[in-house]
Amino acid sequence: DAGVTQSPTHLIKTRGQQVTLRCSPKSGHDTVSWYQQALGQGPQFIFQYYEEEERQRGNFPDRFSGHQFPNYSSELNVNALLLGDSALYLCASSTDGTGFYYGYTFGSGTRLTVV
Amino acid sequence: AQSVSQHNHHVILSEAASLELGCNYSYGGTVNLFWYVQYPGQHLQLLLKYFSGDPLVKGIKGFEAEFIKSKFSFNLRKPSVQWSDTAEYFCAVKDTGGFKTIFGAGTRLFVKA
Repeated sequence: DAGVTQSPTHLIKTRGQQVTLRCSPKSGHDTVSWYQQALGQGPQFIFQYYEEEERQRGNFPDRFSGHQFPNYSSELNVNALLLGDSALYLCASSTDGTGFYYGYTFGSGTRLTVV
Repeated sequence: AQSVSQHNHHVILSEAASLELGCNYSYGGTVNLFWYVQYPGQHLQLLLKYFSGDPLVKGIKGFEAEFIKSKFSFNLRKPSVQWSDTAEYFCAVKDTGGFKTIFGAGTRLFVKA
């Protein structure tokens, strides 16, 4: 059990469509970070949410947006999907916000395929 | 900008062989350093971390890593690998003044029984 729950597990979308991915953090964690992992590469930081606000963003276009809810769960939205958006999307939770940072707890990811 | 380099993309070892995976980062400030592991079919999980103090840190399953500040390195070691260590290993760095953690490209380790 990862402690972090992501849904859906797999998703196939058509170019130009929009997608929403969901994440429930580990119990006790208040911070959610999203990563994109392309095949054969390491996870790339998309953004991080704390207290329902985006507090740091990586080098991703505005097509990538997110949200964090009062219960700390989070959504990642990607608009106008491109073939290059095909990847594994990872959610990582942590306690940065109010506690000492111990590292991430990762979910199993959502495999997005854009056709 | 921060970056993390892992020197080997694929490593093949026989059981009982010693392991050392290289990791170098580029950042001039104070950092936290991590190794994460992903076993086949499982999610990424934290193997060990360095925040401060003793530069030699020990993690789970007999792994250790040494932080050498002058070399900007954080190499992962294990004296004797087992077949069950077959996995992908990721080095990661976090600026202590920031929020994001940067990952290397990963090293796939295959241990022959």
